[in-house]
This record gives sequence, structure tokens and C-alpha cells, in this order.
Amino acid sequence: DGGITQSPKYLFRKEGQNVTLSCEQNLNHDAMYWYRQDPGQGLRLIYYSQIVNDFQKGDIAEGYSVSREKKESFPLTVTSAQKNPTAFYLCASRSGQGAGGYTFGSGTRLTVV
Amino acid sequence: GESVGLHLPTLSVQEGDNSIINCAYSNSASDYFIWYKQESGKGPQFIIDIRSNMDKRQGQRVTVLLNKTVKHLSLQIAATQPGDSAVYFCAETPVNTDKLIFGTGTRLQVFP
Repeated sequence: DGGITQSPKYLFRKEGQNVTLSCEQNLNHDAMYWYRQDPGQGLRLIYYSQIVNDFQKGDIAEGYSVSREKKESFPLTVTSAQKNPTAFYLCASRSGQGAGGYTFGSGTRLTVV
Repeated sequence: GESVGLHLPTLSVQEGDNSIINCAYSNSASDYFIWYKQESGKGPQFIIDIRSNMDKRQGQRVTVLLNKTVKHLSLQIAATQPGDSAVYFCAETPVNTDKLIFGTGTRLQVFP
């Protein structure tokens, strides 16, 4: 979707396991973002990165970790410390020219079994 | 804290009618607003945006109105079509931040 690829589309995790969600973009965007969406709710910011090798916590960072070793990639790890990880996860990227440049991926639905 | 909310969680309209989706925002320092459309199981799609120095902006079949006095944003869809059925989110960017704050969404249902 729009040059951002999230994988997998569906992911199942056992309690106590860490899982990593992939997000790759070929838009040459500097900034990348991870959002969490729960049923019937809006998107909440988990982590964001404005430049390679740098990232900041969003509003609900606890239980999550990220890395930004390459401009194109911003993987999100959902750790066992996240007590309620079942949700729809969306990755986005943005050009450096204002918030209107946001492009979203198609999402990963994570379910804890 | 900062928040963006919507008045109506679900809006049902007949095909061909006009739709109006409303949004209230709480941060008067926000200077940029966006409407997104999200279909089931997909990521949000950009519809239209508006900066705080404007009060109206038109796109193809859509119009966004901004009333800074009462901190209210609305999305008008003309001649609503079945393909417009989705959840619509407003979002705001507070000035000097790199964050996009989303509202909870309004589900638009279009009936034939």
C-alpha cells in the first residue's frame, strides 16, 4: 500500500513470547511511525523515528521496542511485557514536509492465543 | 490532555444524500488537520487536509470545514456512494510537534 509493506498480515503469538512485526518503505521517507488500533477506537502512537538510528517513545510505548538501522525499515517488537498485545498494528511513514505526507501500510493483526 | 473526538460514532445515510461527519478537537495550538478513511482490515487513506489559517477546503466530492472559535472540524461528502462506507477519522498535529493525534472515528454506512 502506497510503498509501505507490512508483514505478516496476520500473526498469532503465544503468551510470553516476543514477536516482531515488519515495516518496509521504498518512499525514501525520513520519518516512520508505529500505531496501535483497538476495535472501535482510533490510532495510538507507540514509537516513531525521524531519522536513522534514532527513535522516540509515543503515548503507549511500554511493552514494545523498535530499531531503525536502515532508512527503509522500522521493525516493531511486541515483548512479553505487553500485557494486552492483541490489536491491529499500523506502520506509517512521512516525508519531511509536513504531516500531510503520511502514508500508511495495510496493517498487521496480532492475536495472542 | 490532548484529544480529538467525534460527536457521532455511526452515521447512516442513503445513497445520493450528502454526509456530514463532525469532529471536536481540544488543542487550540494545533495547526494542521487531516481526515482519513479506513476500510475494514486496511490502513487509513488520506482524504483531505486543512491548515489552521484556512476555514474551508474543497476536494473532489469532499469539503472540510474548520471552525477554530469552537474547535470544530467537519467533513462533508457530497452525493454519498456505497463505496464511501468506511470509518472516518479526524487527526490533528499540534504546532511544533511531529505527532499525529487521532480521534476515535465515525462509521459511515451508506444504504441503497
